[in-house]
Amino acid sequence: EAGVAQSPRYKIIEKRQSVAFWCNPISGHATLYWYQQILGQGPKLLIQFQNNGVVDDSQLPKDRFSAERLKGVDSTLKIQPAKLEDSAVYLCASSLGVLAGNTIYFGEGSWLTVV
Amino acid sequence: KNEVEQSPQNLTAQEGEFITINCSYSVGISALHWLQQHPGGGIVSLFMLSSGKKKHGRLIATINIQEKHSSLHITASHPRDSAVYICAGFDGGATNKLIFGTGTLLAVQP
Repeated sequence: EAGVAQSPRYKIIEKRQSVAFWCNPISGHATLYWYQQILGQGPKLLIQFQNNGVVDDSQLPKDRFSAERLKGVDSTLKIQPAKLEDSAVYLCASSLGVLAGNTIYFGEGSWLTVV
Repeated sequence: KNEVEQSPQNLTAQEGEFITINCSYSVGISALHWLQQHPGGGIVSLFMLSSGKKKHGRLIATINIQEKHSSLHITASHPRDSAVYICAGFDGGATNKLIFGTGTLLAVQP
């Protein structure tokens, strides 16, 4: 079974530029998550989708971050304009659903460095 | 104070040693993940459990929901076990958000 795919793996951009990350969840997984993990810290949930609807985006900095999950499958996370403090790993994860019995599967992450 | 606390924060062991990492939480949790993260790598889910005990190879995870405590054990540790281990609990809310622990950095020396 293929895992959660993310791209690009690594990205270096200058501040005020824009960047987009792509995620392809495990087939059939209705729930998709984007997490931000700053070096030395635990992951922070940015946004959670159930199919193509947003169920939690309370910690998404909406002035610069946006995410969409058209057709309830793939998802993109965009940052525009980027700030130095956005340097982090952006982790995509998916699960069958929000029930506690469902395992969450993580991708390898997209490493962003803003200079 | 974090809602999910792990101990120890850092752990160095010799190859072959038995290792225990503890996770305690102060909030209601319906189930808990043990996750492994290698430097520069993504996160791998080792276990998801809501009661009792699970075993996979050299790894054993236990949880006591009432006592709000979980442990991850590694038997016959190996240098390739060196990683950050994170416990994360589902908060049981409408979106079942994961609350992440502080992480334990494990280094197994040959």
